[in-house]
Amino acid sequence: DQQVKQNSPSLSVQEGRISILNCDYTNSMFDYFLWYKKYPAEGPTFLISISSIKDKNEDGRFTVFLNKSAKHLSLHIVPSQPGDSAVYFCAAYAGGTSYGKLTFGQGTILTVHP
Amino acid sequence: NAGVTQTPKFQVLKTGQSMTLQCAQDMNHEYMSWYRQDPGMGLRLIHYSVGAGITDQGEVPNGYNVSRSTTEDFPLRLLSAAPSQTSVYFCASSSPGQGTEKLFFGSGTQLSVL
Repeated sequence: DQQVKQNSPSLSVQEGRISILNCDYTNSMFDYFLWYKKYPAEGPTFLISISSIKDKNEDGRFTVFLNKSAKHLSLHIVPSQPGDSAVYFCAAYAGGTSYGKLTFGQGTILTVHP
Repeated sequence: NAGVTQTPKFQVLKTGQSMTLQCAQDMNHEYMSWYRQDPGMGLRLIHYSVGAGITDQGEVPNGYNVSRSTTEDFPLRLLSAAPSQTSVYFCASSSPGQGTEKLFFGSGTQLSVL
């Protein structure tokens, strides 16, 4: 039972354009959502997060949007740069007793072409 | 600051062998966890610990054992390796003060079981 799903295994965009990565979830108890970025042979690194009480969070070129009614979130990268090429994982967290226990999606491989 | 250090980086085992994956963090984080990453599955939680002497099971604990005798170290033991345990293993840590969901990951251990 995949509670967090990233249905696009890969995405290819041109440098300077917008990258949109999508994520869907099924567990209504999730109240915090995160995006992690992973380069080959490295561990994932935290990118950006959003609480369920918000519908948008922005950090520089990265913006995460949350649609609770649709149980959907997306990560927008504008403008995309070749250094953004990596695997992006969506993750979710239910507060309280789920202390630090993240549920991850399958990941989306983003390739940004110069 | 080394962060989260995992050893070894690569390991090949024969079915039935046992081994310990080492994980150490120098950030004085209370929370530590082990994830495995498999193609098409994302990262799945194996075991986690909220402090020294306290451990609990995650989503896929079978075949693995953990202990937490110090704040810094959280080793993962494979009791009798099976080909299904071929995976990339990541150790992570976090602290309530920084957001328990914002995990710091090690660079991973790539394990092959023949």
